[in-house]
Amino acid sequence: AQSVTQPDIHITVSEGASLELRCNYSYGATPYLFWYVQSPGQGLQLLLKYFSGDTLVQGIKGFEAEFKRSQSSFNLRKPSVHWSDAAEYFCAVGAKETGNQFYFGTGTSLTVIP
Amino acid sequence: ETGVTQSPTHLIKTRGQQVTLRCSSQSGHNTVSWYQQALGQGPQFIFQYYREEENGRGNFPPRFSGLQFPNYSSELNVNALELDDSALYLCASSWDLNEQFFGPGTRLTVL
Repeated sequence: AQSVTQPDIHITVSEGASLELRCNYSYGATPYLFWYVQSPGQGLQLLLKYFSGDTLVQGIKGFEAEFKRSQSSFNLRKPSVHWSDAAEYFCAVGAKETGNQFYFGTGTSLTVIP
Repeated sequence: ETGVTQSPTHLIKTRGQQVTLRCSSQSGHNTVSWYQQALGQGPQFIFQYYREEENGRGNFPPRFSGLQFPNYSSELNVNALELDDSALYLCASSWDLNEQFFGPGTRLTVL
């Protein structure tokens, strides 16, 4: 069965500090992996995606993520967090073999303190 | 290029009523997926339409139904509304089952 786990429900970091949000997945087919960000009352904005190739992917707003097949992980990182990064972050998995139907994690809420 | 749009933005209904939500896919896209996002949760896949045919369905009862039109816009219909149907409903479009682009969502409140 397909599933995505985001083990950290809530994370608080200081502005300027580094950030890592964890994502683990279980998926039978070759996965496509995504990170989305959602501000309160808003839709989902794509931060970055992994389809194939280089396992370190760069996204918007200075975010990057690394795909580790052996660990079934796709963790999101940012070297220096800005106050505007405070939001909800969702990891998602999909695959063309299953019609690219996305399975989302339950999200990690990020608070940034000055 | 116009992105994914959804209407209405907000909606309030009472239990037992029926609701129709609408989604206009991004220009050039032929696939629409619908997701339900309850408060504090991640989006849950409802179903997907590919070239006007249903192409997969999540774990939602039959009172959730959908439609895709020849211009690839889509509707989500929910009958016999229940309190637990209160959620943000997200629509996403793509070309041929590739990367999905999400709309801003419709916030449905069931009283």
